[in-house]
Amino acid sequence: DQQVKQNSPSLSVQEGRISILNCDYTNSMFDYFLWYKKYPAEGPTFLISISSIKDKNEDGRFTVFLNKSAKHLSLHIVPSQPGDSAVYFCAARDGEGADGLTFGKGTHLIIQP
Amino acid sequence: DSGVTQTPKHLITATGQRVTLRCSPRSGDLSVYWYQQSLDQGLQFLIQYYNGEERAKGNILERFSAQQFPDLHSELNLSSLELGDSALYFCAREGLAGIPGELFFGEGSRLTVL
Repeated sequence: DQQVKQNSPSLSVQEGRISILNCDYTNSMFDYFLWYKKYPAEGPTFLISISSIKDKNEDGRFTVFLNKSAKHLSLHIVPSQPGDSAVYFCAARDGEGADGLTFGKGTHLIIQP
Repeated sequence: DSGVTQTPKHLITATGQRVTLRCSPRSGDLSVYWYQQSLDQGLQFLIQYYNGEERAKGNILERFSAQQFPDLHSELNLSSLELGDSALYFCAREGLAGIPGELFFGEGSRLTVL
């Protein structure tokens, strides 16, 4: 049973426009949500996170929104740049972190010039 | 630079064999995590060690085992390998900024089982 779902395997966005990546979860015990970015032949790198008690967190071009009632979060990238082309993983941590992070399967974002 | 070194980067072996993957975090990093990324799966948490002791266990098969040594490097042992064990195996350390869930991953070890 997938507790963290990213339903779009890929997304193509024009350079300069907004990229919106979505993630749904089922476990109400998750207390932190994170986004990781992964380039080929590299390990994932942490991008941005949000606590379950907040609904928005912003860091430069990246904003994460959390809708707890819908068990949904999204990552907005604006404006999108060619270097943003990568696989983006949504991840969640349970209350004690005892089970490690639970990751979605990722969304491959392609920024087109 | 994530501060996590993994070896080998690539490994090709046959079914039924046993391999050892190595992870060296930065000096002083007490925690080490192991994750597996298969072709059609996201990253799956396998196991966490903290200062030599197992702290948390995820979806780790009984054929797999790990340990963390006194110098804090860690090894993931995979035995009786099957085709389905072909995957990227990542090691990670915790960040120091106090962000819950922030991990720094190594570049991974790509295992191919033929």
